[in-house]
Amino acid sequence: GDSVTQMEGPVTLSEEAFLTINCTYTATGYPSLFWYVQYPGEGLQLLLKATKADDKGSNKGFEATYRKETTSFHLEKGSVQVSDSAVYFCALIPSGYSTLTFGKGTMLLVSP
Amino acid sequence: DAGVTQSPTHLIKTRGQQVTLRCSPKSGHDTVSWYQQALGQGPQFIFQYYEEEERQRGNFPDRFSGHQFPNYSSELNVNALLLGDSALYLCASSQGGTDGNTIYFGEGSWLTVV
Repeated sequence: GDSVTQMEGPVTLSEEAFLTINCTYTATGYPSLFWYVQYPGEGLQLLLKATKADDKGSNKGFEATYRKETTSFHLEKGSVQVSDSAVYFCALIPSGYSTLTFGKGTMLLVSP
Repeated sequence: DAGVTQSPTHLIKTRGQQVTLRCSPKSGHDTVSWYQQALGQGPQFIFQYYEEEERQRGNFPDRFSGHQFPNYSSELNVNALLLGDSALYLCASSQGGTDGNTIYFGEGSWLTVV
């Protein structure tokens, strides 16, 4: 079945460091890919998405590129802030469906 | 414009009891999905309701049931609660399509089973 695999956390960085959180997926066809963020005690917020191969999603300085050849959708940010500390979830929606399959999440901790 | 609202925010139940969680979708949305998020895990899809019918179901036992009302709000019911049902229950609403950009989540209902 469809699945998403993320790097395990926590990822600990200093402010202004470069961030990469790896995400790979298994799915038939061409799924849509997403990154969601969950701040402590809150629900999920959509961070960015990409719906076809080579698409780049971006938002709030975060970017991810849909790589069909490597089945990956890695999240990157050039300079993290303390306020970016949260749990990040990679997710997909299979072609023809409208429900999300999530990875286990990666906690990011940014220190001043 | 209110987003997705869920109630209650926190509740504690005893093993064997039954619980009902409620969700009001974002204005203009007609599809409601429920997810279970265990501590330290990603959300798992429970089921989806559209036009008052269960349209899709994940790998959850029949103890988990739901309902959608004519105003598109929804309830999640869990019978014969187990300790393992302790989790954050998330409601998500969308407008019938498959574009993930329209999927909005509520803050969730924290259920603790003791």
